[in-house]
Amino acid sequence: DAGVTQSPTHLIKTRGQHVTLRCSPISGHKSVSWYQQVLGQGPQFIFQYYEKEERGRGNFPDRFSARQFPNYSSELNVNALLLGDSALYLCASSSTGGGAYGYTFGSGTRLTVV
Amino acid sequence: GQSLEQPSEVTAVEGAIVQINCTYQTSGFYGLSWYQQHDGGAPTFLSYNGLDGLEETGRFSSFLSRSDSYGYLLLQELQMKDSASYFCAVFNTNAGKSTFGDGTTLTVKP
Repeated sequence: DAGVTQSPTHLIKTRGQHVTLRCSPISGHKSVSWYQQVLGQGPQFIFQYYEKEERGRGNFPDRFSARQFPNYSSELNVNALLLGDSALYLCASSSTGGGAYGYTFGSGTRLTVV
Repeated sequence: GQSLEQPSEVTAVEGAIVQINCTYQTSGFYGLSWYQQHDGGAPTFLSYNGLDGLEETGRFSSFLSRSDSYGYLLLQELQMKDSASYFCAVFNTNAGKSTFGDGTTLTVKP
């Protein structure tokens, strides 16, 4: 069974541009959560989707949006990129919403905004 | 709001035992999880405690005291490969999300 897959693995964007990050959860998992991790800090919650519905939103600006598709894969979109958006973006897959019993993380997308 | 506190750094020698503590403040507490993250990698799930007591998985054990809002991760027979960052995380039923601490960097020396 494939684990959590994220694409792309690395990305360099210019300030003001838009980016789309993709995630496929573990087969059978209906929940996908997105986290942002800045160097030296713990992952910060951005969104949670369960059964294609948004179930939670973290303290991030409206430039951040996400959606979950019928096959439970998910996209995270960030508009009008700022230098401060440079981070590792992690997709977390779980059978229950929010990772109550633990998440399986993808390898992440490392976004650099220049 | 929610907050978690864990030490920023811990150093130990190979073969030793180390304990990483985590205290938390949250409403709607459901459970405490631990993750390991090597440099450049993604967090890997280690353990989950939903009830008070000790959970053992090989060289790693995790403990929870709900009344004290406290837990710890115990690593035994330390190996060089255990050098990594360790994060505690609490699941909040009200918010439906897991919140992570800032991590403890463990350095294992020969």
